[in-house]
Amino acid sequence: RKEVEQDPGPFNVPEGATVAFNCTYSNSASQSFFWYRQDCRKEPKLLMSVYSSGNEDGRFTAQLNRASQYISLLIRDSKLSDSATYLCAVWEEYGNKLVFGAGTILRVKS
Amino acid sequence: GAGVSQSPRYKVAKRGQDVALRCDPISGHVSLFWYQQALGQGPEFLTYFQNEAQLDKSGLPSDRFFAERPEGSVSTLKIQRTQQEDSAVYLCASSRWRTQTYEQYFGPGTRLTVT
Repeated sequence: RKEVEQDPGPFNVPEGATVAFNCTYSNSASQSFFWYRQDCRKEPKLLMSVYSSGNEDGRFTAQLNRASQYISLLIRDSKLSDSATYLCAVWEEYGNKLVFGAGTILRVKS
Repeated sequence: GAGVSQSPRYKVAKRGQDVALRCDPISGHVSLFWYQQALGQGPEFLTYFQNEAQLDKSGLPSDRFFAERPEGSVSTLKIQRTQQEDSAVYLCASSRWRTQTYEQYFGPGTRLTVT
């Protein structure tokens, strides 16, 4: 089993829709989680950190469910510009490194 | 200010050639990471430096891969005798922190194609 797993998608949604992605992780001791956005042929960019209490930034909400070992990203009122690959990342404290999932592709269509 | 830069942006190598990929981290960032990203996958950790010290090279796929950061700033990832399976985007990231280095800034990557 991979350490961090994501549904590859693609998720095809119309503008204005609400869409949610999940990401599961295998290490129950993991403490820090992140969502990155990666546009085609570009580098990943940090979108949000995921706190135990949840985190909201405008149209984006990130949640952590420790019991089930997953994190989620909710995007409300999708824009065309939200089309990208969303990478989930888990911080491995003992290794001082990020472990990424394979990413979920989102396509927002007009 | 300037972000992380990498060069070259694209590299085509014939199988068996050696390549060198360069990373210029954000000035003052002590931690530097190299990742390999295959098509349709997320970045996979290769190696990590804190200043000039290579603290973790557990992700390097074989002894053909070698990385250095001799003066604690610019880093070079070298791949000897390239193979087709080395074709990927090589990303460099830097962090201002020594620990808790999850706040990483990525460079644009070098897309390596081995023919």
